[in-house]
Formats: sequence, C-alpha cells, structure tokens
Amino acid sequence: QQQVKQSPQSLIVQKGGISIINCAYENTAFDYFPWYQQFPGKGPALLIAIRPDVSEKKEGRFTISFNKSAKQFSLHIMDSQPGDSATYFCAARKAGGTSYGKLTFGQGTILTVHP
Amino acid sequence: GAGVSQSPSNKVTEKGKDVELRCDPISGHTALYWYRQSLGQGLEFLIYFQGNSAPDKSGLPSDRFSAERTGGSVSTLTIQRTQQEDSAVYLCASSLASRQRGYTFGSGTRLTVV
Repeated sequence: QQQVKQSPQSLIVQKGGISIINCAYENTAFDYFPWYQQFPGKGPALLIAIRPDVSEKKEGRFTISFNKSAKQFSLHIMDSQPGDSATYFCAARKAGGTSYGKLTFGQGTILTVHP
Repeated sequence: GAGVSQSPSNKVTEKGKDVELRCDPISGHTALYWYRQSLGQGLEFLIYFQGNSAPDKSGLPSDRFSAERTGGSVSTLTIQRTQQEDSAVYLCASSLASRQRGYTFGSGTRLTVV
C-alpha cells in the first residue's frame, strides 16, 4: 500500500522559474512531513520539514504548503537554479507507536533546471 | 564520525552468494534505519533499530534479508542467496531519538547481482 503519492515523476523548469512538487497522503496519523533532496551518488539530505499545525513554512527559496483537510502538501522552489537539479522526495512519519521515527517516502521527482 | 558511513560503496556479486553491507551511524544517534532504493523508485523501508528496543523488521522483503546492530552502533545488513532483483542502492540513516530531528543518510551501497 503506497501511503504517500508524489507527482510529477519528472519536472523540467527554466532558470528563474518556480518548481512545484506535490504529495498526497492517506494516513491521518502522520504528524511530520519532511522533504529530502538527493544528488546523484549521494544519500538524500533533509531540505525542509513541516508539522500539520501550520499551513506554510518557508526557508530561503524553499516553501512547503500544507493542506490538512485535503491531506496534501507541496514543495515550491522559487527562482529555481541549475544547482537545484536533483531528485526530491517527500515523506511522512506517524505520530507515536514503537516505530514513530520511521519515514514513509514518496516515489521521488527528478527536477531538471535548464540554464 | 561527522556523517553516516557505509561500506562498501559498490558491490558486485554473483547470484546465490551472500553479501554483508555495513553502516556506521553518527556517534550518539540511537536510531538507525535501512532503506532500499531501486532504479527510478522511491525509498523502500527495510528495518529500524531504536536503542535497546526490538527492531522493526516489517519492511524486510524475505527471510533472506536480516540485519543486526551491535553495541547500539554499527549495523550490518545481510542478504543471503542473492537474487538479481536484490540489485539496488542500500541506504542507511541515523537520527537522534527526537521528534524534532530528521534523518542523516549515508551515501549508500550500490549492490549489483549478476
């Protein structure tokens, strides 16, 4: 059962444009929603994260928008740069339980930013 | 160390052989996770260790897969009688046992079964 669905699978954006990646989840027990960025040959690195008690979080050019009622969240990259070209993963974590640290990941989005 | 260290970085093995993948987490991190990343796929959870608690093995795909964590630090993922479908990048991550922290991933071990 895929609990976190991510779209699109790939995205091409021109330099300076806005990149938008969307995720939808099914389990209302999720309480923490991070985004990870992965460059080729490297492990994913935490980019930004949000909790469901806020609707938006911004860090520099990266913003997470969260819609609890729709069970959706998205990553917006403003003024996209070629150096942002990477694979992006959304994830979600359940509150409580013996494995509360375990993250469920989306399928990933390959972002290409053209100069 | 400063980061999560995984070894080897690449491993090519023949079908049917056993392999061991090693993970050295960040010192002081009590939680350790193994994930598998197949080509073009997301990250598939395999197993999770948290302190002295029993590990969450719910993601292990078959009984050919096992993992242990010795002394609350180094972890080894063992795949017995490897199959071609086991070819993937195996990622290890660690974290503090805090709800405010994210994972720190290693660079992974790329396993190729021929």
